[in-house]
Amino acid sequence: DQQVKQNSPSLSVQEGRISILNCDYTNSMFDYFLWYKKYPAEGPTFLISISSIKDKNEDGRFTVFLNKSAKHLSLHIVPSQPGDSAVYFCAASDSGTYKYIFGTGTRLKVLA
Amino acid sequence: KAGVTQTPRYLIKTRGQQVTLSCSPISGHRSVSWYQQTPGQGLQFLFEYFSETQRNKGNFPGRFSGRQFSNSRSEMNVSTLELGDSALYLCASSLAPVGGNYGYTFGSGTRLTVV
Repeated sequence: DQQVKQNSPSLSVQEGRISILNCDYTNSMFDYFLWYKKYPAEGPTFLISISSIKDKNEDGRFTVFLNKSAKHLSLHIVPSQPGDSAVYFCAASDSGTYKYIFGTGTRLKVLA
Repeated sequence: KAGVTQTPRYLIKTRGQQVTLSCSPISGHRSVSWYQQTPGQGLQFLFEYFSETQRNKGNFPGRFSGRQFSNSRSEMNVSTLELGDSALYLCASSLAPVGGNYGYTFGSGTRLTVV
């Protein structure tokens, strides 16, 4: 049972435009959501997070939106840069379970 | 400050063999988690250790095991290797209690190939 889903395996965006990566979840007990970025041959790096009591969190070019009623979160990157080309994973946790559950990832390609 | 160190980076093993992977967390981090990454499956949780105690385990067969030492270094072991065990194995450490909004710091992973 995939509790965290990223239904788009890949996304291509022109440099300077907005990239929107989506993630859906099924477990209403999740209370923290995170986004990670992964380059080939490297481990994932933490990007941004949001707790379930908020609906938006912004950090520079990255903004995460959470829609609890729809069990949906999204990551917006504005403006997109070629260096943003990577695989992006969303993850969720239910505090007390000592783990994060990751989606399958979306490969973003930003075209120069 | 040194990051999370995983050794070895690459490993080729034969079906039926066993393998041990090592992870040194960031200094001061007491929680170590392990994940398996395969194409199309994302990151699958293996287990989490804190102060030498396994606090959670994912849905993997008993061939997958791990442990944590008193210095927080961790090892995971896979016995009787199968072709499907070929994957990138990622270790992550955390200072704050796992499950909050700080996330982990991941190592670069060990790429295991079973032939």
